Amino acid sequence: NAGVIQTPRHKVTGKGQEATLWCEPISGHSAVFWYRQTIVQGLEFLTYFRNQAPIDDSGMPKERFSAQMPNQSHSTLKIQSTQPQDSAVYLCASSLDMGSNERLFFGHGTKLSVL
Amino acid sequence: SQWGEENLQALSIQEGEDVTMNCSYKTYTTVVHWYRQDSGRGPALIILIRSNEREKRSGRLRATLDTSSQSSSLSITAAQCEDTAVYFCATDARGGRALIFGTGTTVSVSP
Repeated sequence: NAGVIQTPRHKVTGKGQEATLWCEPISGHSAVFWYRQTIVQGLEFLTYFRNQAPIDDSGMPKERFSAQMPNQSHSTLKIQSTQPQDSAVYLCASSLDMGSNERLFFGHGTKLSVL
Repeated sequence: SQWGEENLQALSIQEGEDVTMNCSYKTYTTVVHWYRQDSGRGPALIILIRSNEREKRSGRLRATLDTSSQSSSLSITAAQCEDTAVYFCATDARGGRALIFGTGTTVSVSP
């Protein structure tokens, strides 16, 4: 079991460009989460899916950010017209199911740098 | 934020010492997760304590939970250099929804 796989590990984009981040959850896990981590804001919840259906995107910025889960083996986070303030480590996590007791398994993250 | 949790920012100790970090949460929860994050990696669960457990132990780790004061603590006994990491508490503050993480405590253990 390779754990949660995130690609790329590092991404550098110019201001205004689009960035797509990929996540492959652990096989058999039904819930997939996206978080953003910065020094200032810490670990911020963005959105999550259960059985590929979007459940809660309340943490997603209303503009430019979107997430999809087209199949059970991967999810994408897309940022359009990237801005310097989007620079962060984007973390994907999966869990066997939803619930207070469920352990999250995180990937290594994708470090996005917007120049 | 009404969902926010708080931790002490940074603790520096020497090997062999004990260390305790605290977390205060603002909304009702039935469980508190504690994760550690090593540099360059995602957080990993180290201990989970439920509201019917006032104390939980795992090796050199000890977690407590006081639902009346809405606070939890994590203690590491006889810290080792490999315990150097950022430690986060997290709660399911919105009832069955995604975990919300505290700001984290950086623990540095020196030889």
